[in-house]
Amino acid sequence: EVQLLESGGGLVQPGGSLRLSCAASRFTFSTYGMSWVRQAPGKGLEWVSVISGSGGITYYADSVKGRFTISRDNYKNTLYLQMNSLRGEDTALYYCAKVQGNIASSNWYFDLWGRGTLVTVSS
Amino acid sequence: SYELTQPPSVSVSPGQTARITCSGDALPKKYAYWYQQKSGQAPVLVIYEDNKRPSGIPERFSGSRSGTMATLTISGAQVEDEADYYCYSTDSSGNRVFGGGTKLTVL
Repeated sequence: EVQLLESGGGLVQPGGSLRLSCAASRFTFSTYGMSWVRQAPGKGLEWVSVISGSGGITYYADSVKGRFTISRDNYKNTLYLQMNSLRGEDTALYYCAKVQGNIASSNWYFDLWGRGTLVTVSS
Repeated sequence: SYELTQPPSVSVSPGQTARITCSGDALPKKYAYWYQQKSGQAPVLVIYEDNKRPSGIPERFSGSRSGTMATLTISGAQVEDEADYYCYSTDSSGNRVFGGGTKLTVL
């Protein structure tokens, strides 16, 4: 069964940094785009960032642009999200999601999600 | 910024048809997707490219899109279909957007 397992969440102070990881298994990781989607407590889903299979193309939501960096290691089948200058509004459950479709086009979507890792930004 | 608008809640009795709508100005030219999220669980894709069902999703789930509105229909809703449902699409600039979510109650 295809699996995505997030880790790296925790409590961090405002202005701090955190790196999330997502370990993928049982699919050819390098051939799929990957994405991060977050969900604040009791709220809806918010797309954060996406990266192409090769890692050469990345996009970000305006709310995190310049603060977050998505990357991947296709040898380790792992996706990352480096989060800097964290704010209270970044508090959320962060999901890793496998992408179906070409992220350079308009028609791509999330076909598999991990269980998420919780990030809490608070002093 | 672009928004997809969903009703906050929909309620039906078991066996009835539930319809959840999603409206957005870019929908005439962009696909709609639907995700089901049960309490405490990760989202699951139930409809992609307006009306296609992924493997394993029951036939009672269907989707459609007309003009600025997309609709998720659950024909003969079951108690186990109780969940939050989110539509997803993109605007003309490629920004990825989720609707605010609709809580489906089946009782």
